[in-house]
Amino acid sequence: EAGVTQFPSHSVIEKGQTVTLRCDPISGHDNLYWYRRVMGKEIKFLLHFVKESKQDESGMPNNRFLAERTGGTYSTLKVQPAELEDSGVYFCASREQGTSPLHFGNGTRLTVT
Amino acid sequence: DQQVKQNSPSLSVQEGRISILNCDYTNSMFDYFLWYKKYPAEGPTFLISISSIKDKNEDGRFTVFLNKSAKHLSLHIVPSQPGDSAVYFCAASGSSPRQLTFGSGTQLTVLP
Repeated sequence: EAGVTQFPSHSVIEKGQTVTLRCDPISGHDNLYWYRRVMGKEIKFLLHFVKESKQDESGMPNNRFLAERTGGTYSTLKVQPAELEDSGVYFCASREQGTSPLHFGNGTRLTVT
Repeated sequence: DQQVKQNSPSLSVQEGRISILNCDYTNSMFDYFLWYKKYPAEGPTFLISISSIKDKNEDGRFTVFLNKSAKHLSLHIVPSQPGDSAVYFCAASGSSPRQLTFGSGTQLTVLP
């Protein structure tokens, strides 16, 4: 079974530019989550999709962040325009329904200079 | 305001000895707790979990203890092995919504 796949693994952009992160969840997993870890701190929740619908986006920092999950398969997280404080590791995770544990991807390390 | 706290950023233990990682939480609505392990350049991987109806769950060398009255949980690894060296995250969730709230992690180093 293929795991959660994230692309790119690293991205370095300048302040003001746009970056799009992609996540391919485990096949059949309706629940998809985005998390972020900044500067070695806690892993913080950003948002949760159930299939193509946003179930909870209470963790999104501001309207510079836009997440989509067209067709309920892969998801993208766009940051536009990027700011210095957006630097960190962005993790995607997926799971089946219920209380099954989250399966995480390896993350995208975003550096905004 | 962190709802899940791991106050020890690092811990070093000798191979073969016991590793004890601690976690405190503040939200009394949390009813499900998990530990994840993370190696460098990889995502967190699930290790062990415990429901609030239990006070102990064991899986091989790993045991999680939950003290609800103290809002405290701990992960015991015995015997510790060098391959256990990683960052360990404590996480918690309530019944609704079910997203996980993570602590800031503890770097465990097991010395050979």
